[in-house]
Amino acid sequence: GAVVSQHPSWVICKSGTSVKIECRSLDFQATTMFWYRQFPKQSLMLMATSNEGSKATYEQGVEKDKFLINHASLTLSTLTVTSAHPEDSSFYICSARDFRGDSNEQFFGPGTRLTVL
Amino acid sequence: AQSVTQLDSHVSVSEGTPVLLRCNYSSSYSPSLFWYVQHPNKGLQLLLKYTSAATLVKGINGFEAEFKKSETSFHLTKPSAHMSDAAEYFCVVSLFTGGGNKLTFGTGTQLKVEL
Repeated sequence: GAVVSQHPSWVICKSGTSVKIECRSLDFQATTMFWYRQFPKQSLMLMATSNEGSKATYEQGVEKDKFLINHASLTLSTLTVTSAHPEDSSFYICSARDFRGDSNEQFFGPGTRLTVL
Repeated sequence: AQSVTQLDSHVSVSEGTPVLLRCNYSSSYSPSLFWYVQHPNKGLQLLLKYTSAATLVKGINGFEAEFKKSETSFHLTKPSAHMSDAAEYFCVVSLFTGGGNKLTFGTGTQLKVEL
């Protein structure tokens, strides 16, 4: 099946620094990738939709200048949390849609746990 | 607008007994519905999906779900629970838009399996 990886799996950073999270589709090309955020014991909330070669579409309430998304190739999307603060600590999960397959199925990465001190 | 409601935040069953995780949905269009499972510190795994074909959908690990339009429900069941089934389960509805599909997640149901 389709595999999506994320790197790093966890990261701890100081307040005010920026953190980059990578999402890769390993065995398929993904024209669209999605970034989610999950707080402890809560559901996943869609942050943004990332289309290869174009600007990401952010959900209401998500600061685009704080959460920078780049989807430069069909297999890689990155999320950069700029000037991170403790309230940004969360579990970030990406997913990818295989443009050749079922348009309704997304394949999820294992997630990245961000802790901001 | 679309949404899903998972009626139970926690479900506890004994090993070997049936599992029922309830989900109701709301969608303006014919929905695609999914159940995902999330084990601690692991990624989401697709259990099964409904995409307007057979209303009874069989998934992995013995799980199945039935789409009932009249009740707007998509409950997840398994005849006999196993210890390894203990995890968080999410009911998800999908709306296909011009830019791709957007998933809306339910709040999750924590399944506990006891000996």
